[in-house]
Amino acid sequence: DAGVIQSPRHEVTEMGQEVTLRCKPISGHDYLFWYRQTMMRGLELLIYFNNNVPIDDSGMPEDRFSAKMPNASFSTLKIQPSEPRDSAVYFCASSNPTGQITDTQYFGPGTRLTVL
Amino acid sequence: DQQVKQNSPSLSVQEGRISILNCDYTNSMFDYFLWYKKYPAEGPTFLISISSIKDKNEDGRFTVFLNKSAKHLSLHIVPSQPGDSAVYFCAASDGWYSGGSNYKLTFGKGTLLTVNP
Repeated sequence: DAGVIQSPRHEVTEMGQEVTLRCKPISGHDYLFWYRQTMMRGLELLIYFNNNVPIDDSGMPEDRFSAKMPNASFSTLKIQPSEPRDSAVYFCASSNPTGQITDTQYFGPGTRLTVL
Repeated sequence: DQQVKQNSPSLSVQEGRISILNCDYTNSMFDYFLWYKKYPAEGPTFLISISSIKDKNEDGRFTVFLNKSAKHLSLHIVPSQPGDSAVYFCAASDGWYSGGSNYKLTFGKGTLLTVNP
């Protein structure tokens, strides 16, 4: 399998612009997670989906952030309008938990976002 | 309030010696704990896990110890190798292993391990 695919890998934009990050989970995984990594806050969960339905979005920082999962193989995280403090690395992860000790989440390579 | 804490931002050890990375948690409902390793410009990758019914899990050079009463876990790497140099994240869940439906992970901020040749 190709693993979790994220695009773009790097994004540089100006304050006020709309940013869309994309994720393709591992085929067959029914959970999808969006994380943000910053120096100050570490790796924090923004939102996660189960079978394309948002389950917990309590980590989404503001209404400027939105996420969708229109089908099992694609998800987007949108920031509109973007601000410099949104600069971070955004990770997508997927999993197919079965209650076993080997369960884990598989992470994509991340999108490094810089908002000027 | 951080529920998973890695109080050492960095650790430096000599090749061949033991590396010990520590993690503390505050939520007594956590029942599944994982360690992830992250190289620069890559996503975190799973390393090893432990459920709350155990106090030790081993996988090759990596051993995770869990002390529930102290709400503390540690990752031991023996012997340490230069290729182990990376950021290590501790993570926890309060419903995964027990068969619940909460597969949300809470991560610590990470510890940068440097193994010197």
